[in-house]
Amino acid sequence: LAKTTQPISMDSYEGQEVNITCSHNNIATNDYITWYQQFPSQGPRFIIQGYKTKVTNEVASLFIPADRKSSTLSLPRVSLSDTAVYYCLVGSLDTGRRALTFGSGTRLQVQP
Amino acid sequence: GAGVSQSPRYKVTKRGQDVTLRCDPISSHATLYWYQQALGQGPEFLTYFNYEAQPDKSGLPSDRFSAERPEGSISTLTIQRTEQRDSAMYRCASSLAGTSGLETQYFGPGTRLLVL
Repeated sequence: LAKTTQPISMDSYEGQEVNITCSHNNIATNDYITWYQQFPSQGPRFIIQGYKTKVTNEVASLFIPADRKSSTLSLPRVSLSDTAVYYCLVGSLDTGRRALTFGSGTRLQVQP
Repeated sequence: GAGVSQSPRYKVTKRGQDVTLRCDPISSHATLYWYQQALGQGPEFLTYFNYEAQPDKSGLPSDRFSAERPEGSISTLTIQRTEQRDSAMYRCASSLAGTSGLETQYFGPGTRLLVL
């Protein structure tokens, strides 16, 4: 399975854009990149998934460069409620490489 | 059901006792996962099921841990002869059987186990 590396923590202020980068140097051809969000006392929640270039949904954007060795989760105009832990997962169903390793994630603290 | 449910939500037991945790996945979901999450850490994979089959149980920490899903729906995780180090949040997730990318996992509220 592709090993991922994320910053342990990040701080931001309300209204700012937050970018969290995940490194996955040994990503395989069929692997996808998925981000989850976890609030205290809750289970992780799916945010976004992508394979290459850029993916955007109502919550976030995911930027994946051509070499796919990293990815960046972008949260526009964060609010206090975005304070959570964010996990980057890499894997694929096609090859059975289900990404089941959450790691320690990135703890985002948003301040007023 | 509307979401993944787990029971009990909290379990306190004495060292050496057996405990069984239950997970009721979203009804249309073929795949069910079990994770162990220590405080301040991310979920650690234990095992997963495709319907009643259990293709991967490589994450189970010892033979004291076992899981089953006999009818391909509800699953139980049993820990025999519990030890204090087993104290953690146990999370269950389920997903549709996808064909590409990664299946979106829907997590339950978890069962917090405390072994005294």
